[in-house]
Amino acid sequence: AQSVAQPEDQVNVAEGNPLTVKCTYSVSGNPYLFWYVQYPNRGLQFLLKYITGDNLVKGSYGFEAEFNKSQTSFHLKKPSALVSDSALYFCAVRDIRDSNYQLIWGAGTKLIIKP
Amino acid sequence: DAGVTQSPTHLIKTRGQQVTLRCSPKSGHDTVSWYQQALGQGPQFIFQYYEEEERQRGNFPDRFSGHQFPNYSSELNVNALLLGDSALYLCASSLRQGELNMNTEAFFGQGTRLTVV
Repeated sequence: AQSVAQPEDQVNVAEGNPLTVKCTYSVSGNPYLFWYVQYPNRGLQFLLKYITGDNLVKGSYGFEAEFNKSQTSFHLKKPSALVSDSALYFCAVRDIRDSNYQLIWGAGTKLIIKP
Repeated sequence: DAGVTQSPTHLIKTRGQQVTLRCSPKSGHDTVSWYQQALGQGPQFIFQYYEEEERQRGNFPDRFSGHQFPNYSSELNVNALLLGDSALYLCASSLRQGELNMNTEAFFGQGTRLTVV
């Protein structure tokens, strides 16, 4: 069965410091991996995805994520956090063999950036 | 280029009533998925529509039904509303492409906040 784990309910980072939001996954085949961000009372906004190729993926707003197949992880990172990065972050996975596009979602990690 | 639009943005219904939520996909997208997001939780997949047919369904009762129109827009209907149906309902659109019918990443609407009292 496919699954996604975001082990941290909340991550607190000081503005200007690097941030990491963790995600591990489990799929039978090769994964498609995604990160989305959600601001209060808003829908989800796409940040970045890993399909194939370079393990380091760059996305919107200065975010990047590193795909690690051996550790089945896809952690979201940013070198220098901004207060405006405070939001809810979701990791999602889909098995590449699944032709019926169903994303499996993590429970979300609340990111709080303190000035 | 309009993104995914959902209507209404907020809705209050009474237990036992029926509700219809609407979604217009991003221009060029042909696949619509619906999600339920309870407060403090991640999205839960309800179902997906492609070519006007329900293609996949999550673990939701038959009270949840949907429809996709020839212009790719979609409706989510919920009958016999329960208090537990109160949630943010998200519509996501994507495009099937390629040999394996792989979809692009999903684009989400802002959601409809449904409150059942």
